This record gives sequence, structure tokens and C-alpha cells, in this order.
Amino acid sequence: DAKTTQPPSMDCAEGRAANLPCNHSTISGNEYVYWYRQIHSQGPQYIIHGLKNNETNEMASLIITEDRKSSTLILPHATLRDTAVYYCIVRVLYSGGSNYKLTFGKGTLLTVNP
Amino acid sequence: AAGVIQSPRHLIKEKRETATLKCYPIPRHDTVYWYQQGPGQDPQFLISFYEKMQSDKGSIPDRFSAQQFSDYHSELNMSSLELGDSALYFCASSKGREPFNQPQHFGDGTRLSIL
Repeated sequence: DAKTTQPPSMDCAEGRAANLPCNHSTISGNEYVYWYRQIHSQGPQYIIHGLKNNETNEMASLIITEDRKSSTLILPHATLRDTAVYYCIVRVLYSGGSNYKLTFGKGTLLTVNP
Repeated sequence: AAGVIQSPRHLIKEKRETATLKCYPIPRHDTVYWYQQGPGQDPQFLISFYEKMQSDKGSIPDRFSAQQFSDYHSELNMSSLELGDSALYFCASSKGREPFNQPQHFGDGTRLSIL
């Protein structure tokens, strides 16, 4: 799976949009971008995923650049409960053996301040 | 919606003892993954099962074994426990069929402490 690079930490004011960047310059054409977050010692929570088009759900938006070498996760109105480590993970779409493990990198610690 | 259920939530063992962690996937999910997260570390993949067959293997010690049963629940068996096995153990589940981009959903984990 392609490696990803994320800033180690970011701050955001409550009520403002949080924009979390991720670089995945070696991504292959059959690899998806997934975002998870982990609130202190809880299980990682799935947020959103995409291939090449921008995606939006009730939690967030995912913007993927045209060359797919980077992406941005957007939390439109951050709350204190959004404070967590955010992981950007690139995973192959189909490998034939159902080995779809997630490889977690260091992630970004997002701190939402009142 | 039903989530991944893990038991027990907390487990305290002594060195050289054995432990069994259980995972009940989301209904109709046929694929189970196990991850280990040591203190201050990121989750690391251990092993996965698809339709009761081992599908992938990561950095799982030989002292550990796992299986998936006919009802799709999974158990992680750990023997000769060491201090370094103290960690959070997460189970995740997903559907292993098309579309293959379906995400994994995680349980709340089992916190294993070795004394």
C-alpha cells in the first residue's frame, strides 16, 4: 500500500472548518483513500473514503486532487468532540486474496479549541 | 445500528498465562480483522479472516493464534503472555465481497494488561 504523509498536529477553533491534509504521492490507480479517526483509546472510527471524485457524507467532505497525489479531509463545523487523531490510509481496491488490511501511519492530532 | 462487539473490555493477566479475546462482527459481515495498539503507538495489523479462512497475516507472534467460526465471530488466542503484549486489541469487520471498497468498522477494543 502507498505511504501517506500527514502533519503531526493541527489546531482548530470550535465552529470553524477543519482542513486536514494528506500526501500520497505514490498512490496507484487501484488504491482508495480512506480516513479514520481515533478518539483517545477508542476504536478507530470510519469517516469517509474516495477514489478520485470528491465525496461528502454526514460527517465530512473529502477532496482529492486531480492527480490523486494528495487529499484533504474537511470537517465543516468542528466541535470539541472532533478532537482526535485522524488517519489518512491508502488501501488497494482489490487484491484477489481479500487482504484488505489497513496500514496506519502516524496520523494528525486535531485539537479543537473552545 | 449494530456495531462490532468485543469481549472482554478489560483483561488482566500475568506473565506466561493465556488469554482469549472474542469479536462479534456486524451482522452480515464475513471478514474480520485483528489489530494491536501498544501504548503510544498506532494500530498494527495482526491477522484477518474471510469466510472462516485466514486471508492475511501481519506481525502476529507465533504465540498467538486466531480463528473465525461458522457464525463469523472470531477469537484471538494468546499464550505465554509477555509484558510487551500489554496493549489495546481491536477487531474490525467488513463485507469481503463487491464492492471491494467497503470500509472496515472497528469495535471498542479489549485492553489487555500483563502484570
